[in-house]
Amino acid sequence: AAGVIQSPRHLIKEKRETATLKCYPIPRHDTVYWYQQGPGQDPQFLISFYEKMQSDKGSIPDRFSAQQFSDYHSELNMSSLELGDSALYFCASSLGLAVSQETQYFGPGTRLLVL
Amino acid sequence: AQSVSQHNHHVILSEAASLELGCNYSYGGTVNLFWYVQYPGQHLQLLLKYFSGDPLVKGIKGFEAEFIKSKFSFNLRKPSVQWSDTAEYFCAAYSGNTGKLIFGQGTTLQVKP
Repeated sequence: AAGVIQSPRHLIKEKRETATLKCYPIPRHDTVYWYQQGPGQDPQFLISFYEKMQSDKGSIPDRFSAQQFSDYHSELNMSSLELGDSALYFCASSLGLAVSQETQYFGPGTRLLVL
Repeated sequence: AQSVSQHNHHVILSEAASLELGCNYSYGGTVNLFWYVQYPGQHLQLLLKYFSGDPLVKGIKGFEAEFIKSKFSFNLRKPSVQWSDTAEYFCAAYSGNTGKLIFGQGTTLQVKP
């Protein structure tokens, strides 16, 4: 079965550069969630989209922005990168908002290293 | 604010030993609880979930969890662990009405062969 696809899988950037992470949800899924997992830490919710509209916002820095496109894929744009942004960024998708007894399915993540 | 806590941060077991990982949540409304596993270098995989009904939930790979409402707990169990169960285990719950997950701190399980 098709899974959540994230690209790139690995990304190395320098401080103050920008990065764009992409997430392609499971076909028919219309909801996307972004999470950040720092080294040795639990995943932290960043932002989510349902039907191309932002549905919730967590601890996402102002330097980050995201959107969901008409084909339901989502992009997380990160500017003025800092060393502390080095983390694993997960995307998850679900059919509808996940509270309706739907499950979120996670992608493999993008590992970002900021030097 | 809703929170999920895991009290065991690092567990070391020998193969064939029984496993129980603790998870407690704080939330007064509808509860949706999950256990995810993260093998080294891999993404989060769903082990099992509880939405309603039978409080004893069976998942993949022989794992099960019991939802005890009076104790606000959702502990993960496995009667006999294998070396391949070595991984990070996260308890999680939905927060609010948009489906965002909040995670516990994670428990690193190391199974010695």
